[in-house]
Amino acid sequence: SQTIHQWPATLVQPVGSPLSLECTVEGTSNPNLYWYRQAAGRGLQLLFYPVGIGQISSEVPQNLSASRPQDRQFILSSKKLLLSDSGFYLCAWSVQRREETLFGSGTRLTVV
Amino acid sequence: SQKIEQNSEALNIQEGKTATLTCNYTNYSPAYLQWYRQDPGRGPVFLLLIRENEKEKRKERLKVTFDTTLKQSLFHITASQPADSATYLCALQDGSGNTGKLIFGQGTTLQVKP
Repeated sequence: SQTIHQWPATLVQPVGSPLSLECTVEGTSNPNLYWYRQAAGRGLQLLFYPVGIGQISSEVPQNLSASRPQDRQFILSSKKLLLSDSGFYLCAWSVQRREETLFGSGTRLTVV
Repeated sequence: SQKIEQNSEALNIQEGKTATLTCNYTNYSPAYLQWYRQDPGRGPVFLLLIRENEKEKRKERLKVTFDTTLKQSLFHITASQPADSATYLCALQDGSGNTGKLIFGQGTTLQVKP
């Protein structure tokens, strides 16, 4: 069966520091991978989504970037964190782009 | 602009009753609508998907309706239990694209009291 792993679970980082969150998927190949963010008291916001093999598109302008170094590995990065980057980050994937989406366990990021 | 609305106020019901949650949307033509459950500090868990040509979908104690004329989906939990207490999210997929992007509502928190 397919599983999705996301780490770390929690992270406290100072403003201006870099960020690297990792997500891997097992049990499938060429998964459609997404990054979402959930700020306190707000809904899930789509950050990045797949637009083709090896291509990632950003939904909103921000100081975050996403990469896919391997087929089933997804990285969310930042060179310099802002206070507004605090939130709950979720990696997600779907087998078919029009079917259910499976979410990781999330990373709680606090920028101080 | 596109908008998805769920009742932001918590829904409190007694165990054994039917819980009904509402999802309304505007300026949107989704081909699919999905419902997810989210527990505190956890990622959302998929519950049900309903397509635009389906009026109703059931899964055990769960039932979802989809009215594209009213631009509304209703999510029902029958014979509710305290374990059903969670936040329920409505999500739409844009039928014009094929990226699998989900646009989420803010969710409605359900509290089932024993």
